[in-house]
Amino acid sequence: DQQVKQNSPSLSVQEGRISILNCDYTNSMFDYFLWYKKYPAEGPTFLISISSIKDKNEDGRFTVFLNKSAKHLSLHIVPSQPGDSAVYFCAASLNRDDKIIFGKGTRLHILP
Amino acid sequence: DTAVSQTPKYLVTQMGNDKSIKCEQNLGHDTMYWYKQDSKKFLKIMFSYNNKELIINETVPNRFSPKSPDKAHLNLHINSLELGDSAVYFCASRIPGGEQYFGPGTRLTVT
Repeated sequence: DQQVKQNSPSLSVQEGRISILNCDYTNSMFDYFLWYKKYPAEGPTFLISISSIKDKNEDGRFTVFLNKSAKHLSLHIVPSQPGDSAVYFCAASLNRDDKIIFGKGTRLHILP
Repeated sequence: DTAVSQTPKYLVTQMGNDKSIKCEQNLGHDTMYWYKQDSKKFLKIMFSYNNKELIINETVPNRFSPKSPDKAHLNLHINSLELGDSAVYFCASRIPGGEQYFGPGTRLTVT
């Protein structure tokens, strides 16, 4: 019973273009959302988060959008760079201190 | 000066054996976690400890026993290993209200 779904297992984007990674969730009680990035043979690293009181949060090239009515969030990376090639995990929790539920991840390939 | 470290990085063992994975964090965080990433790539929480006390146990078989000797360490002991225990195990830590910092993972292979 997946509460956080990333329906695209992989995505390929040309270097310099925008990468858009999507995530859906089922639990309307989720209040805090995160994106993690993972390189092979390393642990996930925190990328960006958003609280449910906001619909957008931006950090440099990374922007997360939240649509609570649709239970959908997305991560935009612009411009995409080769170092962005990694697996991106969407995650959600009931609040900032509660356990985090992760999606299955989307593998992003940035093409030269 | 690794923030969250795990040993060993790789562990190959036979069914029925008992093994331990160690985790240490030098971030001064109060809360530590163990996650399991199985073959389907889901990253699922197993346990959470806060200041050496167990606060989350996600219906993990009791063959898995976490131990926290102090708030900087959270070890995972697994008894009677089964094929289905093969996975990558990640340790993580966090401060209240903060994001989690993950270790590099331990790839456990049970043959």
